[in-house]
Amino acid sequence: DTAVSQTPKYLVTQMGNDKSIKCEQNLGHDTMYWYKQDSKKFLKIMFSYNNKELIINETVPNRFSPKSPDKAHLNLHINSLELGDSAVYFCASSPNPLGASGEYFGPGTRLTVT
Amino acid sequence: AQSVTQPDIHITVSEGASLELRCNYSYGATPYLFWYVQSPGQGLQLLLKYFSGDTLVQGIKGFEAEFKRSQSSFNLKKPSVHWSDAAEYFCALYGGATNKLIFGTGTLLAVQP
Repeated sequence: DTAVSQTPKYLVTQMGNDKSIKCEQNLGHDTMYWYKQDSKKFLKIMFSYNNKELIINETVPNRFSPKSPDKAHLNLHINSLELGDSAVYFCASSPNPLGASGEYFGPGTRLTVT
Repeated sequence: AQSVTQPDIHITVSEGASLELRCNYSYGATPYLFWYVQSPGQGLQLLLKYFSGDTLVQGIKGFEAEFKRSQSSFNLKKPSVHWSDAAEYFCALYGGATNKLIFGTGTLLAVQP
C-alpha cells in the first residue's frame, strides 16, 4: 500500500540510450511532480502535472519528456542519455497544484549513465 | 527573489542532546514553510509545515519548528536526538507566485553514540 511508488529503483545505462521511469500514486492526489536531485543533494523541480495537464515545465532539455496517462501516473522518458543526467529522480504528488499542502515523495530512482 | 538558505551543511550531535537546524528564507509575503527528512537511500518525508497561526509547529518524530518573521527563519528543533534521526534535512518554501516548492541545500545530521 505504498503511497508513491517508482520503478525502477536503480537504472544503469550507457550514453545515448533512451530510458523511462514510471511513477504511480494511490493517494487520490490531483498533482504530480518530477524532481532531480544531483550529487550534492540539491533538489530541483523539473515538471508538474495537474489532472494530466502540464503546469510546470522548468528549464529542462527537450530530451526529457513527461507523460501522464491518468492523474495517478506520471512517467518520465529520457532520450539520448548523457553523463550529466546521472542523478536521483524523485516523483512526488500533492492534493492540489498549489503545493501548499506539502508533497509526498516516492523512494527515488538512481540513474547512472556510463 | 524567493530562496531558502540552510547555513549548516553538516552537523554532528551526541545522542540525547538537543538539536536545532537553521533555515532562513527570502520571500515577499508570509510563506508556506516545510521541513523534510531524507534517510539514506530513501525519498523525502514531510516532518512538519507552517501556513499561519501559531508560530511553533509540531511535527512527527518529536520534531518542532519555530517561525520567526522578524528573522526570516524557520528553525527545526528536537529536545533529544535519537541515533535514528541521522539523515539529511531539507527546509522548503512554497512560493505562491511560482506554484512550486523551493528547497534549501540540506543539512546532513550525524548522531554520535
